Amino acid sequence: GAGVSQSPRYKVAKRGQDVALRCDPISGHVSLFWYQQALGQGPEFLTYFQNEAQLDKSGLPSDRFFAERPEGSVSTLKIQRTQKEDSAVYLCASSLVGDSISYEQYFGPGTRLTVT
Amino acid sequence: KQEVTQIPAALSVPEGENLVLNCSFTDSAIYNLQWFRQDPGKGLTSLLLIQSSQREQTSGRLNASLDKSSGRSTLYIAASQPGDSATYLCAVPRETSGSRLTFGEGTQLTVNP
Repeated sequence: GAGVSQSPRYKVAKRGQDVALRCDPISGHVSLFWYQQALGQGPEFLTYFQNEAQLDKSGLPSDRFFAERPEGSVSTLKIQRTQKEDSAVYLCASSLVGDSISYEQYFGPGTRLTVT
Repeated sequence: KQEVTQIPAALSVPEGENLVLNCSFTDSAIYNLQWFRQDPGKGLTSLLLIQSSQREQTSGRLNASLDKSSGRSTLYIAASQPGDSATYLCAVPRETSGSRLTFGEGTQLTVNP
């Protein structure tokens, strides 16, 4: 079946521009996660949704970062007034169930954001 | 705060060799541990997930072990092949019952033909 998809795969933005990154999770998956991966590093947690509820946004680095999942399926990560330090790969993952239960996270291919 | 460390950062081996990748974590109160593979420019592929009640999991040529009390996990790859070349990441949940993951920085593996 279809996996997690993300679009665009690559995005170049000029410093100060706003960007929107899209994630289509696996159909029926309750949980959705966003991670940020800098070059040569492991992914860092940004935010977590259970259905349409954003249960944890403690990893968002600043108030320029905003995520939503209004209908409990597709999610959008928005970055306002992009800065060079926002350059990274943004990974989306989904899992069938939520917290406290055995799970496996399935990752999308990521969006590589380059801010010039 | 949970911290995950992977050793070595990079490893280069000849084809056919057996190898071990190491992962350590500071908070042993984990629910499970997951090993991922990441190919250049690609997302993460889940390899093995070990529940806290298990000591090891096997999938094909891969075997992952977990020792919660010492805060360690190892990923054993038997008879390595050039197609195994990738970055291997381990990850644990941020809280005992949470699903948000804390990752190590990965081990970059190169298997030479």
